[in-house]
Amino acid sequence: GAVVSQHPSWVICKSGTSVKIECRSLDFQATTMFWYRQFPKQSLMLMATSNEGSKATYEQGVEKDKFLINHASLTLSTLTVTSAHPEDSSFYICSATQRQGRNSPLHFGNGTRLTVT
Amino acid sequence: KQEVTQIPAALSVPEGENLVLNCSFTDSAIYNLQWFRQDPGKGLTSLLLIQSSQREQTSGRLNASLDKSSGRSTLYIAASQPGDSATYLCAAPPGGSEKLVFGKGTKLTVNP
Repeated sequence: GAVVSQHPSWVICKSGTSVKIECRSLDFQATTMFWYRQFPKQSLMLMATSNEGSKATYEQGVEKDKFLINHASLTLSTLTVTSAHPEDSSFYICSATQRQGRNSPLHFGNGTRLTVT
Repeated sequence: KQEVTQIPAALSVPEGENLVLNCSFTDSAIYNLQWFRQDPGKGLTSLLLIQSSQREQTSGRLNASLDKSSGRSTLYIAASQPGDSATYLCAAPPGGSEKLVFGKGTKLTVNP
């Protein structure tokens, strides 16, 4: 149980275009979803926290107008990279938790490799 | 601000060996500490979650310990197997927060 599906697993796009990444909780309702990015040989960096039905909370230094997050339902959150540039190329990973609380386990998607040419 | 450091960055061992991965964190007012496994190009798999009131957690051949006062955690892997080869990540939230701060990981290679 507790499966998180992330789609697409990889995407190549041209500079200036927008890319949408989906994160779905398949067998549970996710009250909170998190979006991370990971550069090669670096740790995961939290970009934003999204709660169903409310605006996402972005970490310091993350442009909310560039990385649009929508959490329209308890099973789906999307991250849209707008006007992508080569420096946005990275590995994006989402995670979801099915209940609130400090020790709620996190379930991760398999990530999306974004390459901007 | 929470900072999480993992040592070593990489480790190569022969199959069957017992090994220890180390994690240190600067803010000891944590709710919990978690260990994850990441295979190349993949997401994370949760291995163990140690609550702040606990000293250790065990799952199969894995045992994780937590010493909040010294800001350290260790992941012990017994009788390592080639299938254990992966990057192991330690993560801890800053005090008073639920958001996880990750270390850079230890890349483990178990040679047959």
